Amino acid sequence: NAGVTQTPKFQVLKTGQSMTLQCAQDMNHNSMYWYRQDPGMGLRLIYYSASEGTTDKGEVPNGYNVSRLNKREFSLRLESAAPSQTSVYFCASRVSGTDTQYFGPGTRLTVL
Amino acid sequence: AQSVTQLGSHVSVSEGALVLLRCNYSSSVPPYLFWYVQYPNQGLQLLLKYTTGATLVKGINGFEAEFKKSETSFHLTKPSAHMSDAAEYFCAVRRGNTGNQFYFGTGTSLTVIP
Repeated sequence: NAGVTQTPKFQVLKTGQSMTLQCAQDMNHNSMYWYRQDPGMGLRLIYYSASEGTTDKGEVPNGYNVSRLNKREFSLRLESAAPSQTSVYFCASRVSGTDTQYFGPGTRLTVL
Repeated sequence: AQSVTQLGSHVSVSEGALVLLRCNYSSSVPPYLFWYVQYPNQGLQLLLKYTTGATLVKGINGFEAEFKKSETSFHLTKPSAHMSDAAEYFCAVRRGNTGNQFYFGTGTSLTVIP
């Protein structure tokens, strides 16, 4: 099992560009999450998907969209990147009814 | 609302000394509490969790934490620090057993001095 995988690992964008961060899990988990991690602020939830076909906003959804493509994949899209979106993005997954989240290795995004 | 506060963004201990990382929570319902560890350039890994039952929970790598409802605390301890414990530690809370959202603290960076 690869667990939770994220692509790309690193990305540099210019202000206004768009991009999609990809996340996939091979553990048959129902729930998937996107977080951003910023210095001194810990992890903040952007969006989550409790099950295939559903998505919900977290603490900081503005400027992002998500797609739960199927049970395995949950993508995060930045339509018009801004410098404030410079961050490390983590995807996580969880079996519904359990408490353990499994995290991917992260995507380090810089917006110039 | 659910939230956690981690006291001390940086903690330094000598190798072999006690590790104590502090976490206080606020929750409108009985909380589920977690400690995660993050090694450099990696994702987060679950250390331990409290859901129900015994208030002293043991995790991986010799860490343990005690849920104290009266103090709204869930501090992380390890009797003897090892160099390999140097990492970032995050406390997190979830709303009982029905909530889908996890709320993380701001993290504590642990340095172990040889």
